[in-house]
Amino acid sequence: GAGVSQSPSNKVTEKGKDVELRCDPISGHTALYWYRQSLGQGLEFLIYFQGNSAPDKSGLPSDRFSAERTGGSVSTLTIQRTQQEDSAVYLCASSPRDSGHSGNTIYFGEGSWLTVV
Amino acid sequence: DAKTTQPPSMDCAEGRAANLPCNHSTISGNEYVYWYRQIHSQGPQYIIHGLKNNETNEMASLIITEDRKSSTLILPHATLRDTAVYYCIVRVYGSSNTGKLIFGQGTTLQVKP
Repeated sequence: GAGVSQSPSNKVTEKGKDVELRCDPISGHTALYWYRQSLGQGLEFLIYFQGNSAPDKSGLPSDRFSAERTGGSVSTLTIQRTQQEDSAVYLCASSPRDSGHSGNTIYFGEGSWLTVV
Repeated sequence: DAKTTQPPSMDCAEGRAANLPCNHSTISGNEYVYWYRQIHSQGPQYIIHGLKNNETNEMASLIITEDRKSSTLILPHATLRDTAVYYCIVRVYGSSNTGKLIFGQGTTLQVKP
């Protein structure tokens, strides 16, 4: 597709269960980001992938959160043993390769709404 | 932490120009200023970005002061559909050159008929 694609668009899960959220970046984009937005709050950076470089995981809130990116394209964000405070919309974004302090545009998907009950 | 300061809310009359201010007094010389907006619960929409010079595209204009410590986003003829939360962001580069966007709370723009 032309934009960043995320799935599922909505997910309701029981507390304690694991969930996986998927992101398909724009074709050719090497940089991929995950953000989280709780209800009524701003966007919180989670993790960043750039090509084959080690990811920037500095925003992951706990060791229950992890993400991987296979083949430099699709990414999966995994939340283990979900808690109610994990309820939020999880947004993925992608951009062309970052080269130093470049001014590339970052494009966002529509997000995956997660509700933990 | 976000490197920008924005007013929490603003109103604008439909058809008039909306001028949204942003302070970024600690910006570094090679850091870009980006503007995004978020309508309801949709994903953030890119508007414009700049480094030093003023920029204009089909959506908006970005005016950056000469000292780069502040900027203004201008929507020349606001419509009701421009009602949204507008985020001014300085793109931060850390030791690994991560170009992540750090979002603040933004400005809620209400365009009124």
